[in-house]
Amino acid sequence: SYGLTQPPSVSVSPGQTASISCSAEKVEDKYVCWYQQKSGQSPVLVIYQNAKRPSGIPERFSGSNSGNTATLTIRGTQAMDEADYYCQAWDSNTVVFGGGTTLTV
Amino acid sequence: QVQLQESSPGLVKPSETLSLTCSVSHYSISSNYYWGWIRQTPGKGLEWIGSLSHRGTTYYNPSLRSRLTMSVDTSKNHFSLRLTSVTAADTAVYFCARGGNVGSGWGFDSWGQGVLVAVSS
Repeated sequence: SYGLTQPPSVSVSPGQTASISCSAEKVEDKYVCWYQQKSGQSPVLVIYQNAKRPSGIPERFSGSNSGNTATLTIRGTQAMDEADYYCQAWDSNTVVFGGGTTLTV
Repeated sequence: QVQLQESSPGLVKPSETLSLTCSVSHYSISSNYYWGWIRQTPGKGLEWIGSLSHRGTTYYNPSLRSRLTMSVDTSKNHFSLRLTSVTAADTAVYFCARGGNVGSGWGFDSWGQGVLVAVSS
């Protein structure tokens, strides 16, 4: 089965840029989405179709997808961005989630 | 703005059937989009259970397919999940969500608050 691999944790200082990777073979051939989940809350979609932001998501969130790695980038990271982040893709008519990355600010 | 609300069976006994319903407000389930179920084991990651369209087209997680049935009731504007022969491994927070079609890349853009379902005798 198709697997999306994320680092378990990423740390970043306030105001700096955080990058969270999501790796799989030829992931560039698929659309990747990203979700933010704060403690005790439901996930929130922050990026869809690799690089598009839903309404209401700050511009500091951006996404890219090339080769075997999709990346979520948060520029000017704020304390409020501390959360778990999950990537997601479709493969053979199934939805696949990455294992999640805890972002510590 | 669309709102989703899961029902809450709370406790289910091992080997029995888990049934959940997601009620959708402020959006017709018969319009575009697919509707999905995702679960999360306490302290763990997200696991997709399945998705379905308002016409009843379904896509299931292969690991759950033999025990899973999803259905939609457009007259009540809700969709449902039935998972048979549950075990302790099915204990999780269950979310319903609105999502895009297969391969569309839309993602799940609206989620319910989630309900904890515990499997225990």
